[in-house]
Amino acid sequence: GDSVTQTEGLVTLTEGLPVMLNCTYQTIYSNPFLFWYVQHLNESPRLLLKSFTDNKRTEHQGFHATLHKSSSSFHLQKSSAQLSDSALYYCALSDLRNYGSSGNKLIFGIGTLLSVKP
Amino acid sequence: EAAVTQSPRSKVAVTGGKVTLSCHQTNNHDYMYWYRQDTGHGLRLIHYSYVADSTEKGDIPDGYKASRPSQENFSLILELASLSQTAVYFCASSGVGAGNTEVFFGKGTRLTVV
Repeated sequence: GDSVTQTEGLVTLTEGLPVMLNCTYQTIYSNPFLFWYVQHLNESPRLLLKSFTDNKRTEHQGFHATLHKSSSSFHLQKSSAQLSDSALYYCALSDLRNYGSSGNKLIFGIGTLLSVKP
Repeated sequence: EAAVTQSPRSKVAVTGGKVTLSCHQTNNHDYMYWYRQDTGHGLRLIHYSYVADSTEKGDIPDGYKASRPSQENFSLILELASLSQTAVYFCASSGVGAGNTEVFFGKGTRLTVV
């Protein structure tokens, strides 16, 4: 079945250093939607980025990601980490094959906790 | 701003007891979902619904039932709560079509089964 892999459970960075959170996926569907959701402490997950287009960079709030279908990857990056970036980041996959009956069923990775230190 | 409201926000339940988690959305969304969050597992889909009076099984439905009496309301029911069901539960909603792919989450319900 479909799956999402986030290899790092915890990433600890010093403020100002670049951020890269890894995400790879598996699906037999040729046109997947990929998402990054962010969850700050005691809050609900909210959408950070999404992409459907191969090799096109998408950006939001200083973060960016590019969907690469050739490598089944959608890594999240930021040039300079801020203390406020500390949060749990989820990569998620949706294929929308059965959208009429299943809506946007998301398959999430296990999440990567980003901790930014001064 | 899309709104999904969950109640209660936290609950302590006794093993073998019945638990009902409620969710209300004012987004006029057709789709609603219940996810469970556990460290090391991420968010996993329990049940979902795309129309009132109909629910579908997600990836981990065992031990849970769901009810969608109206477009706005979606409940998750644990008939016989077990220790393994201690987790944070999120309700969510989304619209229709590829242009409405964003899923909006409620603030979560922390359930502790003792």
